[in-house]
Amino acid sequence: DAGVTQSPTHLIKTRGQQVTLRCSPKSGHDTVSWYQQALGQGPQFIFQYYEEEERQRGNFPDRFSGHQFPNYSSELNVNALLLGDSALYLCASSPRVGSSYNSPLHFGNGTRLTVT
Amino acid sequence: DAKTTQPPSMDCAEGRAANLPCNHSTISGNEYVYWYRQIHSQGPQYIIHGLKNNETNEMASLIITEDRKSSTLILPHATLRDTAVYYCIVIMARAGVTSYGKLTFGQGTILTVHP
Repeated sequence: DAGVTQSPTHLIKTRGQQVTLRCSPKSGHDTVSWYQQALGQGPQFIFQYYEEEERQRGNFPDRFSGHQFPNYSSELNVNALLLGDSALYLCASSPRVGSSYNSPLHFGNGTRLTVT
Repeated sequence: DAKTTQPPSMDCAEGRAANLPCNHSTISGNEYVYWYRQIHSQGPQYIIHGLKNNETNEMASLIITEDRKSSTLILPHATLRDTAVYYCIVIMARAGVTSYGKLTFGQGTILTVHP
């Protein structure tokens, strides 16, 4: 049973460019959340998708946007990249509504984005 | 969600128990304590969670004080592979919510297990 998979694993972009990161949730999960983790810091919540809509959002500008597809996979898009966007981007998934009330998140190993 | 406080770093000898403390003095009655860890270059991994009773699974034990203001994660026989950053997170149980997409991570505790 594959866990959460993310692609690509590493990416280098230039300031001002746009980037798309991809995430496939764990089998049986329909909710996807995205996190940004700067070096030496804990992950910070960006947003959560469920039923193809953004459900919660953290304190991130509109340059950060997302999408969820009918198969529950998700994309994170970042426009007009800044040097400060360099970070590890983590995707996490959780199971369907109606399952365990306290279901924990399952994380992928992230995409390391470097903006030069 | 209540704020948590953890020591920035701890050391443990291989084979010994690692006891990681977490203070959550402002926790409310319907908030759970969750523990995750992050091994270098990997995503966070769920370890265990609890409300008010002590919990144990194949990875660890969680001891929550009677007043619920603090907790301790116990790794009974630490190995070198347990070297990681350990995060204690408090999450409010909300009616109708079955998944907690938004976790608030602090700085965590860097646990180093040495031979």
